[in-house]
Amino acid sequence: SQTIHQWPATLVQPVGSPLSLECTVEGTSNPNLYWYRQAAGRGLQLLFYSVGIGQISSEVPQNLSASRPQDRQFILSSKKLLLSDSGFYLCALDPGPANTGELFFGEGSRLTVL
Amino acid sequence: AQSVTQLGSHVSVSEGALVLLRCNYSSSVPPYLFWYVQYPNQGLQLLLKYTSAATLVKGINGFEAEFKKSETSFHLTKPSAHMSDAAEYFCAVSSGGSYIPTFGRGTSLIVHP
Repeated sequence: SQTIHQWPATLVQPVGSPLSLECTVEGTSNPNLYWYRQAAGRGLQLLFYSVGIGQISSEVPQNLSASRPQDRQFILSSKKLLLSDSGFYLCALDPGPANTGELFFGEGSRLTVL
Repeated sequence: AQSVTQLGSHVSVSEGALVLLRCNYSSSVPPYLFWYVQYPNQGLQLLLKYTSAATLVKGINGFEAEFKKSETSFHLTKPSAHMSDAAEYFCAVSSGGSYIPTFGRGTSLIVHP
């Protein structure tokens, strides 16, 4: 079965600093990968999704970016963090091949921007 | 376009009482529907899913949900709440060619002893 690893689990960063959150998956090939953000008291906001290496779709214009350098690696980045970037970031996968929208989630990365 | 509305950001029940979490969806094509549970500081875990087979779907931990097309609803129920059911619950819908899911805002279930 597939597993998702997210790193780091928690992160405290000053405003204006860079960010890199990593997501790696095991037990599946060519999955659809997703980055969601969960702010306090709010639902899940889709940030990016990827259907393959180098293929990134952005759902929300912001100072975040995503990359998929390998089939099982999905990275969320920022050059300069804002206070509003604080939240719980979740990586998820849809293993396919018959993509139904059923997602498997990692354990999340909690980012606090001060 | 697809959307999900979860009625009630918080639901409070007594241990042993019926749990009912409401979800209404909007989709222009037949949808797939999901319920997920999230415990504090953890990712989401699938409870159950509707993928156009039986309209009454049974999931883990004694939960079930019924797809009602006429009401565009997919409410989650459990006959008897347990303290361990206290968590955040999310309803999600996917449809169309891409099947990218849309999540509701979540409902926090509080279970009183």
